[in-house]
Amino acid sequence: NAGVTQTPKFRVLKTGQSMTLLCAQDMNHEYMYWYRQDPGMGLRLIHYSVGEGTTAKGEVPDGYNVSRLKKQNFLLGLESAAPSQTSVYFCASIPSGGNEQFFGPGTRLTVL
Amino acid sequence: AQSVTQLGSHVSVSEGALVLLRCNYSSSVPPYLFWYVQYPNQGLQLLLKYTTGATLVKGINGFEAEFKKSETSFHLTKPSAHMSDAAEYFCAVSSGTYKYIFGTGTRLKVLA
Repeated sequence: NAGVTQTPKFRVLKTGQSMTLLCAQDMNHEYMYWYRQDPGMGLRLIHYSVGEGTTAKGEVPDGYNVSRLKKQNFLLGLESAAPSQTSVYFCASIPSGGNEQFFGPGTRLTVL
Repeated sequence: AQSVTQLGSHVSVSEGALVLLRCNYSSSVPPYLFWYVQYPNQGLQLLLKYTTGATLVKGINGFEAEFKKSETSFHLTKPSAHMSDAAEYFCAVSSGTYKYIFGTGTRLKVLA
């Protein structure tokens, strides 16, 4: 099993550009999450999904959209990137009935 | 609402000394509590967790934590620090609704 993978690993955007981050898991997990990690602020939940076709807002959803068309994939979109979205983004997943989050390796995004 | 407070954003210990990382939580329902470790440029991985039952939980790499309801604490300890323990440690709380709140993290430095 590859576990949780994230694509890309690094990206530099200009203000106003758009992009999509892909999270994929091959463990048949039901729940998936997107977090951002900023120095001194820990991990903050952006959006999450409790199953295929469902999404919900987390703590800091503004400026982001998500989709979960397939159970194994959870996409995070930035429609018009802003410097405040410079961060490290982590995806995580949990199996149905479980409580341990399995994390991906992260995507480092810089918005100039 | 739930919250997590990690006291000390940076902790330094000598190799072989006791490691104590503090975590206090706030929860209106019985909490699930977690400690995760993050090595440089990697995702988070679970060290240990408390859900129900025994309040002293043991994790990987010789770490353990004790759930103290009266003190709303879940401090992480290790009797003897090793150089390989240098990392960032995150405490997290969940009410079992699949939403997790993370602390701001404690960076552990181990001195030779």
